[in-house]
Amino acid sequence: GENVEQHPSTLSVQEGDSAVIKCTYSDSASNYFPWYKQELGKRPQLIIDIRSNVGEKKDQRIAVTLNKTAKHFSLHITETQPEDSAVYFCAAYPVGGGADGLTFGKGTHLIIQP
Amino acid sequence: EAQVTQNPRYLITVTGKKLTVTCSQNMNHEYMSWYRQDPGLGLRQIYYSMNVEVTDKGDVPEGYKVSRKEKRNFPLILESPSPNQTSLYFCASSSTTAQETQYFGPGTRLLVL
Repeated sequence: GENVEQHPSTLSVQEGDSAVIKCTYSDSASNYFPWYKQELGKRPQLIIDIRSNVGEKKDQRIAVTLNKTAKHFSLHITETQPEDSAVYFCAAYPVGGGADGLTFGKGTHLIIQP
Repeated sequence: EAQVTQNPRYLITVTGKKLTVTCSQNMNHEYMSWYRQDPGLGLRQIYYSMNVEVTDKGDVPEGYKVSRKEKRNFPLILESPSPNQTSLYFCASSSTTAQETQYFGPGTRLLVL
């Protein structure tokens, strides 16, 4: 099945700086890559996603890039703000083996320092 | 309001005592799934369902059962809970498949003693 590695596990940046979280995946058949944000004590929520026919996607301060050849994708957050503090999860679809599901990375705890 | 609900939100139980965690969505979604979240391990899929009466195993199905008798409900059943099933559980739903926005429920924190 699919395996998703996510780095770093913790990232601390100064407010206003940029943050980058990286994920690699193992299955070249994967074709959908979402990013979820989970604030403390809350449920995960989709913030952005990208499909394999696109190399980059932006939504205001958030962008995701995909390199299919290298099998990695990254989340970029610019001009970070205190409300960006959360755990971020990358994921890849499908899980492999004919199953319909997402394989998640282990998460990155993003800390925005004032 | 479109939402996914779970009950109970918190549960403390003892080893071997059967329990059910309910999940319900009001968005007419076909796809529903259950995840468990453990520190340092991220979210792992337990079971999923692509429609009524259609369920399949995810990555970590051992010790769990599910059913999908109605489109809106997808209960998670622990027939004989063990301490290693202590975790935070999330139900999620999406329109048709996992390659769409997953709408998560609020989570159920389970402690098995």
